[in-house]
Amino acid sequence: DTGVSQDPRHKITKRGQNVTFRCDPISEHNRLYWYRQTLGQGPEFLTYFQNEAQLEKSRLLSDRFSAERPKGSFSTLEIQRTEQGDSAMYLCASSLAVDSTEAFFGQGTRLTVV
Amino acid sequence: AQTVTQSQPEMSVQEAETVTLSCTYDTSESDYYLFWYKQPPSRQMILVIRQEAYKQQNATENRFSVNFQKAAKSFSLKISDSQLGDAAMYFCAYRTQGGSEKLVFGKGTKLTVNP
Repeated sequence: DTGVSQDPRHKITKRGQNVTFRCDPISEHNRLYWYRQTLGQGPEFLTYFQNEAQLEKSRLLSDRFSAERPKGSFSTLEIQRTEQGDSAMYLCASSLAVDSTEAFFGQGTRLTVV
Repeated sequence: AQTVTQSQPEMSVQEAETVTLSCTYDTSESDYYLFWYKQPPSRQMILVIRQEAYKQQNATENRFSVNFQKAAKSFSLKISDSQLGDAAMYFCAYRTQGGSEKLVFGKGTKLTVNP
């Protein structure tokens, strides 16, 4: 296992287009998180899954954003009708659902909306 | 809502010297965890050190140690014998115990290590 994997690493898209990112967590991890990191800021929580269930969504996650985790394995984050304000690094992290365990992060997908 | 504040946007240290990064947080919870994460340029975030709030003893990991002051809600990171590879963004993060266990991050401190 090579850790949390995210694809693509970089995405440039035109405003108004839809984009989809993928995250493959560490195989035995049942928790998966999406965070967004803008320039000069720390990561901000977007949503999290325990197995296939999406259990919490931040108010940052507008209705243009949707996330899925079918079968409790990989996850996708889709942004519809992208806006320039969506430009950010999107980070995925995974962990075990046991207290005090470490969250492991992927390298992120950097989205640029032009 | 919990908040995490890192008041030092940038810090620098000479190689082999010691540097301390500051972090304060606000919470009404009594049980929680605090973390320092390191984010090198273009690489993924990795955990540096973790502190459980119920533990009075400060956590240490090799050259990294924390000064956890629960009453003051302060959680600083000390890096001893700084190395060039320590150069990175450092994020302080808070996590509740139970529930989603999502992380709340500060804005980060950019650490430069001078040879």
